[in-house]
Amino acid sequence: ETGVTQTPRHLVMGMTNKKSLKCEQHLGHNAMYWYKQSAKKPLELMFVYNFKEQTENNSVPSRFSPECPNSSHLFLHLHTLQPEDSALYLCASSQEEGQGSSPLHFGNGTRLTVT
Amino acid sequence: GQNIDQPTEMTATEGAIVQINCTYQTSGFNGLFWYQQHAGEAPTFLSYNVLDGLEEKGRFSSFLSRSKGYSYLLLKELQMKDSASYLCAVRDSNYQLIWGAGTKLIIKP
Repeated sequence: ETGVTQTPRHLVMGMTNKKSLKCEQHLGHNAMYWYKQSAKKPLELMFVYNFKEQTENNSVPSRFSPECPNSSHLFLHLHTLQPEDSALYLCASSQEEGQGSSPLHFGNGTRLTVT
Repeated sequence: GQNIDQPTEMTATEGAIVQINCTYQTSGFNGLFWYQQHAGEAPTFLSYNVLDGLEEKGRFSSFLSRSKGYSYLLLKELQMKDSASYLCAVRDSNYQLIWGAGTKLIIKP
């Protein structure tokens, strides 16, 4: 039990599909993050929400759309994805964005395959 | 640009000691993290260093030298369950986390 739960664990979708990834944290944190993890590459920050406000959008294509209805829940809506979007998508939370010593707590990720 | 370098892969023997190095070039420094990630699982926090020196936590220790832009993670009395990837990350002057690509550690009996 990591305190951060992601669903689904695995997702296969075609390029014309629409799907959503869900993340929930039970740690009372105020910041939530979406990261993309590809093999042998550093984690890529996609989006950050701090107290439900989006504070970071790292030049992510519009086919990825985040939603943060409250401090405990985070979604990533996917549509018309490309095969190169296949990766592990990790959700994380922390006490607040950018606090020096405050570590991120990660979920187990969604393994996404785009066919 | 900002950069974190770690070896891609290392192999060690059960019961031995291994040191995983991390060098960084970042715009400013506000702390360095080490995470462990088993295959198919979440990265989990191991250690945080912001001052020079060695921080010890059981079998794991982490060292930092800010003047050299260098850190290492030392794992003692290696166990098979230590087979995982180890991620180094640095907070820059804007408190953004800059990540290394991770070091895959393989433990052999």
